[in-house]
Amino acid sequence: AQSVTQPDIHITVSEGASLELRCNYSYGATPYLFWYVQSPGQGLQLLLKYFSGDTLVQGIKGFEAEFKRSQSSFNLRKPSVHWSDAAEYFCAVGTTNAGGTSYGKLTFGQGTILTVHP
Amino acid sequence: GAGVSQSPSNKVTEKGKDVELRCDPISGHTALYWYRQSLGQGLEFLIYFQGNSAPDKSGLPSDRFSAERTGGSVSTLTIQRTQQEDSAVYLCASSLVRLAGETDTQYFGPGTRLTVL
Repeated sequence: AQSVTQPDIHITVSEGASLELRCNYSYGATPYLFWYVQSPGQGLQLLLKYFSGDTLVQGIKGFEAEFKRSQSSFNLRKPSVHWSDAAEYFCAVGTTNAGGTSYGKLTFGQGTILTVHP
Repeated sequence: GAGVSQSPSNKVTEKGKDVELRCDPISGHTALYWYRQSLGQGLEFLIYFQGNSAPDKSGLPSDRFSAERTGGSVSTLTIQRTQQEDSAVYLCASSLVRLAGETDTQYFGPGTRLTVL
């Protein structure tokens, strides 16, 4: 069965500093990978996704993530954090069927809470 | 356009009562998912509907939980004889499943916060 590990439960950075949130996955086939962000009291918003092709993917709000198959990782990065980035971030892996389309459930990591100091 | 909507946004109930949670997916989306988010368990998959196919119920924690999707659109998650451990935020998501090789990103609603006293 697939699994996702986000090693950092809580990260604190200063505004303007760079950010990297770690995500490691376990899945037997080519994964579909996602990063979602959740602000307090809100639902999940998609930041970016990787399905195939270029291993460096760009998302919204200046975020990017790099898929590294050899390390089973999909780390999220941002060069300069803004106070509005404070939220909880979830990495997720989606299952695929024999046809290669993504279907069914997402398996989420435990989340990383990001605090931004002014 | 309109996103995924869920109602109610908050629900407080007494232990042993039944509750129904509603999800309206994005128009035209063929797939619908329910997840549960709780402090101890994180985000857990509950059930998945895709078109007219039999739903994937593999994530439902007990037979007190059930869900239906009427007319390929609106879905209702029902919890019977609620227990305190059912307290959580229940999230609904929908996606447009395309042909093989295409993608189907899940778009989430704001959730229903269920509190069982």
